[in-house]
Order: sequence, then C-alpha cells, then structure tokens
Amino acid sequence: AQTVTQSQPEMSVQEAETVTLSCTYDTSESDYYLFWYKQPPSRQMILVIRQEAYKQQNATENRFSVNFQKAAKSFSLKISDSQLGDAAMYFCAYRSIRGADGLTFGKGTHLIIQP
Amino acid sequence: NAGVMQNPRHLVRRRGQEARLRCSPMKGHSHVYWYRQLPEEGLKFMVYLQKENIIDESGMPKERFSAEFPKEGPSILRIQQVVRGDSAAYFCASSPLLDRAAFFGQGTRLTVV
Repeated sequence: AQTVTQSQPEMSVQEAETVTLSCTYDTSESDYYLFWYKQPPSRQMILVIRQEAYKQQNATENRFSVNFQKAAKSFSLKISDSQLGDAAMYFCAYRSIRGADGLTFGKGTHLIIQP
Repeated sequence: NAGVMQNPRHLVRRRGQEARLRCSPMKGHSHVYWYRQLPEEGLKFMVYLQKENIIDESGMPKERFSAEFPKEGPSILRIQQVVRGDSAAYFCASSPLLDRAAFFGQGTRLTVV
C-alpha cells in the first residue's frame, strides 16, 4: 500500500517570502500521479498543482511550483511571494495510475502567513 | 458549470439514526469518490463509483456504510445506526476521466450526538 508523509505539521512564513512544504511517499509503482491540495478554513479542498510521475519536468502553476525527485520519492511544494490568502492546510496526495483506489493523502501541513 | 455540490453542509444525528449524504458531481463527470476526514487528519478514501457501479469500496467499513451512484440523481453515502465515531467531515470528489484530477465538494460535517 502507498503511504504519504508530510513531516511538517506547521510552517510559518512572512508575507511576500518563499516557503517550501515537504512531502515524501512510498510506492512500488513506476507510474502514478502526485497532487497538492489546499484546504482553507472553509474546508473546501482546492487543487493546487498536479504532477505525472512519467514527466521529468517539474509542474508550475503561477506562484506554485514543485520539486519532484522520483528516485528519492520526494514531492515538495514551493510557494513564492506568499500572500495572506495562501494560509491554509496543505495536503500532499498520491494516486495510482489505475485510479480505482482514489487518492492517498498525507496528514497535512498548516501554513501560517505572517503579515 | 457548477462545482461538486454536497448537501447538507451540516448534519446532526442521534446515535442509532441513519445519515444520508448527497453528492452531485460536476456536469460531465462520471467518476465519484467519497472520503472521510477526521479532526487533525488528512482525507481517507472510502469508495469509488461510476454510474450504477461500485468500482472500489476497499476503504469503506464493511458494516453500516453503503454508497450508490444511480443512473439519475446524486451519489448517496448512507450510514446506518450511526455511532459517535462516525462524526467527521465527509467529502465527495468527481472527475471526468480516470486520469484527470478530482474536484472536491465542500463536504458534509456529520455530528453524532
């Protein structure tokens, strides 16, 4: 079974600074998908960024980018120019290419933005 | 195109009652997933359905829990004879294809008193 580990229960960053959230995972599969989801206080789960394991290029979405290290099974999220609206729980998630067993989530990192 | 709609947003049930949680996927989405989130935890997969079929229910408790996604109408997660430990936020997600990212609803917070 796959596992996802987020080792930082909480992170704090000054507004406009850059922060990196860590995620590692364990799998025996060679093809899979990785995701970062954001959960603000409203509890809505919002997709931040998605990475296909077969793609070597790191995914980027505006201020959000990932550092995907397949051999190390690491998938960190970098948030540049942090904004107050970025404050939320961030969950890293894994999904098998088969997809039938849904997403496996980490326990989350609570991101605090200091004004 | 409305997002994934879940209702009710909040549901209070007494121990022993039944809870019915509804999920209307995004238009054009035929894949539906249900997840449960306990306090201070990430989401845990429960069940994956396509129209009229349960594809994978490996994450769902064997007793008291059932799910359906009929040809017409929303997907339903049903919990019979609820107990305090069922109190959690239940999220539904949908996607148009198996290899596409899932979009989540706002969740239903179930409180069992």
